[in-house]
Amino acid sequence: GENVEQHPSTLSVQEGDSAVIKCTYSDSASNYFPWYKQELGKRPQLIIDIRSNVGEKKDQRIAVTLNKTAKHFSLHITETQPEDSAVYFCAASLNGQNFVFGPGTRLSVLP
Amino acid sequence: GAGVSQSPRYKVAKRGQDVALRCDPISGHVSLFWYQQALGQGPEFLTYFQNEAQLDKSGLPSDRFFAERPEGSVSTLKIQRTQQEDSAVYLCASSLSRDRAGYTFGSGTRLTVV
Repeated sequence: GENVEQHPSTLSVQEGDSAVIKCTYSDSASNYFPWYKQELGKRPQLIIDIRSNVGEKKDQRIAVTLNKTAKHFSLHITETQPEDSAVYFCAASLNGQNFVFGPGTRLSVLP
Repeated sequence: GAGVSQSPRYKVAKRGQDVALRCDPISGHVSLFWYQQALGQGPEFLTYFQNEAQLDKSGLPSDRFFAERPEGSVSTLKIQRTQQEDSAVYLCASSLSRDRAGYTFGSGTRLTVV
């Protein structure tokens, strides 16, 4: 079955700096890769996603890159703000069905 | 409603007690998923419904876990004879169609077994 690893487990950056979180997956059949942001005690919220036919996708300060050959994908947040502080989860799936999540990255943006 | 609604928000159960967790998906959403999220971990898949059909229950950890969606809308996750290791947040998610990606999560039910 699919296995998703995520690094780093914690990340602290200064406000205004960039943050990068990396994930790897094991099943080459996976073709959909969402990223979720979860604030303490709240629901996971989709922030960006990418399909396997695309190498990069950007939405304002957030971007995701995908390397199918290496089976890894990354989340990039630029100009970080304190409200970006949260736990971020990557996931991999086949056709947007059952997601296999990574263990999460706790991002702290220091003012 | 505007989002996925789960109840109760919190549940404390004594070990051995049966519990039932409810999920009201977004109206019209065909697909419904249940996930279990242990403290400090990512969500783990439990089961998946398309309308009333339970198409995948491979993630249910034991036969004490049972889920249903009899009319293709509201779903109930039942845990019999709860154990301490069942303590977790149980998340429900729904999506418009089988292949629609990026589904919407509910706020979850935090189950604590004492």
